[in-house]
Amino acid sequence: GEDVEQSLFLSVREGDSSVINCTYTDSSSTYLYWYKQEPGAGLQLLTYIFSNMDMKQDQRLTVLLNKKDKHLSLRIADTQTGDSAIYFCAEKRRRGSTLGRLYFGRGTQLTVWP
Amino acid sequence: NAGVTQTPKFRVLKTGQSMTLLCAQDMNHEYMYWYRQDPGMGLRLIHYSVGEGTTAKGEVPDGYNVSRLKKQNFLLGLESAAPSQTSVYFCASSYKGQKYEQYFGPGTRLTVT
Repeated sequence: GEDVEQSLFLSVREGDSSVINCTYTDSSSTYLYWYKQEPGAGLQLLTYIFSNMDMKQDQRLTVLLNKKDKHLSLRIADTQTGDSAIYFCAEKRRRGSTLGRLYFGRGTQLTVWP
Repeated sequence: NAGVTQTPKFRVLKTGQSMTLLCAQDMNHEYMYWYRQDPGMGLRLIHYSVGEGTTAKGEVPDGYNVSRLKKQNFLLGLESAAPSQTSVYFCASSYKGQKYEQYFGPGTRLTVT
């Protein structure tokens, strides 16, 4: 998972926007995902983007994909204290595998201050 | 649907003991996976299965064995536990095919002393 890079920490004030960034490595990756993990819980799929798209919006979430730079970002509008969690970026690589394995970043701990 | 369930939720083992973690899914998924999560790390794939009776190694398979005797169950075994296997273990499952996402269980926290 160390080939997918994310900053480890982000702190924002409630009501502000949060932007979590990720760089991935494989240009053949088909899907890129954002998962959320709350304390003591498993991973919950937040959203994903197919590699032929450059933007996807889903309510408060906006995903931007820059394939040239292999850069993925997740913007959370009007961030709430309930958004405090660890956010994982993951890429589904196709090269050399029909399975499409997921490779995860280390996760970004988002802390939202009231 | 219960989704993906894991048993047990917590376990403490002594070095050298053995145990089996059970993962079950009720979504008729073909693919199943075992990951481990260590502090400050992303998830790393231990073993996976693309169907009943088939298993394959992931990134960090050493010290683990798996079996998929039934489509809905995927078992992870530790034959002789070591402190380096202290971790949180997640099971996941998905439909066959590139476009389907993985669904995760709640995790098993294992401590080896």
